[in-house]
Amino acid sequence: AQTVTQSQPEMSVQEAETVTLSCTYDTSESNYYLFWYKQPPSRQMILVIRQEAYKQQNATENRFSVNFQKAAKSFSLKISDSQLGDTAMYFCAFSLYDKVIFGPGTSLSVIP
Amino acid sequence: GAVVSQHPSRVICKSGTSVKIECRSLDFQATTMFWYRQFPKKSLMLMATSNEGSKATYEQGVEKDKFLINHASLTLSTLTVTSAHPEDSSFYICSAIRTGGADGYTFGSGTRLTVV
Repeated sequence: AQTVTQSQPEMSVQEAETVTLSCTYDTSESNYYLFWYKQPPSRQMILVIRQEAYKQQNATENRFSVNFQKAAKSFSLKISDSQLGDTAMYFCAFSLYDKVIFGPGTSLSVIP
Repeated sequence: GAVVSQHPSRVICKSGTSVKIECRSLDFQATTMFWYRQFPKKSLMLMATSNEGSKATYEQGVEKDKFLINHASLTLSTLTVTSAHPEDSSFYICSAIRTGGADGYTFGSGTRLTVV
């Protein structure tokens, strides 16, 4: 069975600084997708970034980038130039055959 | 972009009654939809996978008779919480995919269910 682990329940970062959220997963499959989702206080789930396992190049989306280490089964999210609007729960997610497994989440607070 | 509409956003019902939650894909056809339950400050727990025109696939530990799922069309899935009890109070979220996971999942805005 696939599992997703996020070892940092809570994190904080100063506005404009950079923060990295950790995620590890466990699977015996070779082709899968990884995602980072953001859930702000409104509770709307928002896709931040996605990575296809067969692509070695790390995905980037503006201020968000990932460090995908397939052999280590690690998928960390780096947020650069943190903004107050980045305050939210962040969930790492693993997808195989359409089913999505979410990690426990990391609560990120951006401090003015 | 893909939009999923979920209604109602909040509902309060009396213990013993049933409540229906709708999930609609507005601008795409969703052959597969998913229903999640989320407790406060916790992650999303997958309850069931809903496929258009067939029976839903429930995750282990989820009561099929309590949480009835119907996916009658390519744009609509419903979750009915039957004979609701206070312990069913939770935040329920649906999601849909357009293709085989590559595009990511679009989520509804969620439903806060309170059973009194």
